[in-house]
Amino acid sequence: EDQVTQSPEALRLQEGESSSLNCSYTVSGLRGLFWYRQDPGKGPEFLFTLYSAGEEKEKERLKATLTKKESFLHITAPKPEDSATYLCAVQAGSVNRDDKIIFGKGTRLHILP
Amino acid sequence: AAGVIQSPRHLIKEKRETATLKCYPIPRHDTVYWYQQGPGQDPQFLISFYEKMQSDKGSIPDRFSAQQFSDYHSELNMSSLELGDSALYFCATSTEGHTEAFFGQGTRLTVV
Repeated sequence: EDQVTQSPEALRLQEGESSSLNCSYTVSGLRGLFWYRQDPGKGPEFLFTLYSAGEEKEKERLKATLTKKESFLHITAPKPEDSATYLCAVQAGSVNRDDKIIFGKGTRLHILP
Repeated sequence: AAGVIQSPRHLIKEKRETATLKCYPIPRHDTVYWYQQGPGQDPQFLISFYEKMQSDKGSIPDRFSAQQFSDYHSELNMSSLELGDSALYFCATSTEGHTEAFFGQGTRLTVV
């Protein structure tokens, strides 16, 4: 069964304190791994898509990396406005065109000023 | 830039009533996904459509149905509403290449 596990569940950092969020996955053929940011009561905001092991993408203070088993979202020198829930999701491939995108439970990130 | 539009943003219904949620995709997006998100929960996949045909089905109750129309917008129909159906309902849309899936702002359904 396809599965996505994120850790930690919650993370509190001081402003400027860099850290990483983890997303481990088991899927039958990875078509894509997505990172989203979600603020309370709002829809997930797209951040990155990664397709193959070794791929990296950056956006401002965020950098996402991918291996065959997991992805990391590195946050460098975070600011209070980076506080949000970060969701990891995977889309698995199959001959039957398995379209669903499966989400992990997210990491609630809180940056203290 | 145009985004995914969901309507209504908020909806209050009584038990056993019916609700219809609408999702208007980004132009040229032909794939729609529906998700249900309870308080403090991750989004749970309900159903998806590609080119107006159902492409996958998740944990969608039999009381719910959905379709995608010729203009690619989608509607989620929910009947015999229960208190436990109260949640945020999101749709996301993408193109066939699935390089990015963008979410709408959601519909907050409250069943009383």
